Amino acid sequence: DTGVSQDPRHKITKRGQNVTFRCDPISEHNRLYWYRQTLGQGPEFLTYFQNEAQLEKSRLLSDRFSAERPKGSFSTLEIQRTEQGDSAMYLCASSQDRFNTGELFFGEGSRLTVL
Amino acid sequence: GNSVTQMEGPVTLSEEAFLTINCTYTATGYPSLFWYVQYPGEGLQLLLKATKADDKGSNKGFEATYRKETTSFHLEKGSVQVSDSAVYFCALSVDTGGFKTIFGAGTRLFVKA
Repeated sequence: DTGVSQDPRHKITKRGQNVTFRCDPISEHNRLYWYRQTLGQGPEFLTYFQNEAQLEKSRLLSDRFSAERPKGSFSTLEIQRTEQGDSAMYLCASSQDRFNTGELFFGEGSRLTVL
Repeated sequence: GNSVTQMEGPVTLSEEAFLTINCTYTATGYPSLFWYVQYPGEGLQLLLKATKADDKGSNKGFEATYRKETTSFHLEKGSVQVSDSAVYFCALSVDTGGFKTIFGAGTRLFVKA
């Protein structure tokens, strides 16, 4: 299976700790997106990359959140000094702009629980 | 700004019943419209899409028509099955240089045998 993969699938941490999530997109996809989903809500946009360039970041995103895609392939999302309100499912998605339809391919997500 | 509003759930139906899940949107520009589905324990996946006005997207017996005049993209299925139980998300995507996709809050569907 060559879909989007995310790691770890589950992370439990104590408040104040740093956490990092990794996303490996579909190999030929040049766009990569991070979303956050809380219970009963739809995915909320966080940031996206085209190749290695971070082109947009949500204005609602705290400075404690940072994302990278250093070689235009995999991406990492780091949350520093975690808070209980950061508990959510973090979703990664990728797309290929060559087809220009906006269709996203999602991974299964990384669930974060902050105690 | 861009936003999506869909009917609140949960929606509970008996097998073989007719399904409608309403979705309306506001958008600048000319959005593409999508329905994504999330089955229990699985990631979101695309169910169907429409990229311009009057297009009809269809897949697995589900249909939705892009109605520009009413800014709607309602999801329908003529006869639901237990296996259709899932959360359905309406979404729009506008090319602002990156096709940022905005999702509705989701509608949970339960289908009883």
